[in-house]
Amino acid sequence: GAVVSQHPSRVICKSGTSVKIECRSLDFQATTMFWYRQFPKKSLMLMATSNEGSKATYEQGVEKDKFLINHASLTLSTLTVTSAHPEDSSFYICSARDSSQGQGSYNEQFFGPGTRLTVL
Amino acid sequence: ELKVEQNPLFLSMQEGKNYTIYCNYSTTSDRLYWYRQDPGKSLESLFVLLSNGAVKQEGRLMASLDTKARLSTLHITAAVHDLSATYFCAGITSGTYKYIFGTGTRLKVLA
Repeated sequence: GAVVSQHPSRVICKSGTSVKIECRSLDFQATTMFWYRQFPKKSLMLMATSNEGSKATYEQGVEKDKFLINHASLTLSTLTVTSAHPEDSSFYICSARDSSQGQGSYNEQFFGPGTRLTVL
Repeated sequence: ELKVEQNPLFLSMQEGKNYTIYCNYSTTSDRLYWYRQDPGKSLESLFVLLSNGAVKQEGRLMASLDTKARLSTLHITAAVHDLSATYFCAGITSGTYKYIFGTGTRLKVLA
């Protein structure tokens, strides 16, 4: 159980184009999903918290208009990198929190396999 | 604001040796998580520690939590090459479910 998928796993695009990354919880419902960015040999940096049916909450320094997040259903969140530039190249990882977790639970996030974005 | 620090950042050790990775956090964290990451891959959950004094073991890895000291440790016993990876700890910001990750420890086990 608790499987999260991401699509695509790898994408190469030209500078100026937009790229959409999907994050799906396959066997549970997730009202809350998270998007992280990871540079080589660095830790994960939380970009935003995605909330089903409402606007995402972005971390300080993350451009909302650059990284569009949509969480239209209980099992799907999307991250769109708009007008991508080479500096947006990175490993993007999503995670999902099982909505059925109550108080006293592990509050565990389940991580997707990641998407490697390369902008030429 | 929760901050999480790990040390060491890099660890090169011989097979068969024991070592400990330390994870310090700055304010109360409801839970403490340990993950493993292999190159080019995402995170693999290792342990979730819920309360003070919690100890969990899986194979050659053992994690513990001391909430009073705001310290978690990941102890490696008789390391083998397959344990080579980057290990992250993460705390959770109360009320938000947000994880705050440590800097990571890159472990290399030499044969």
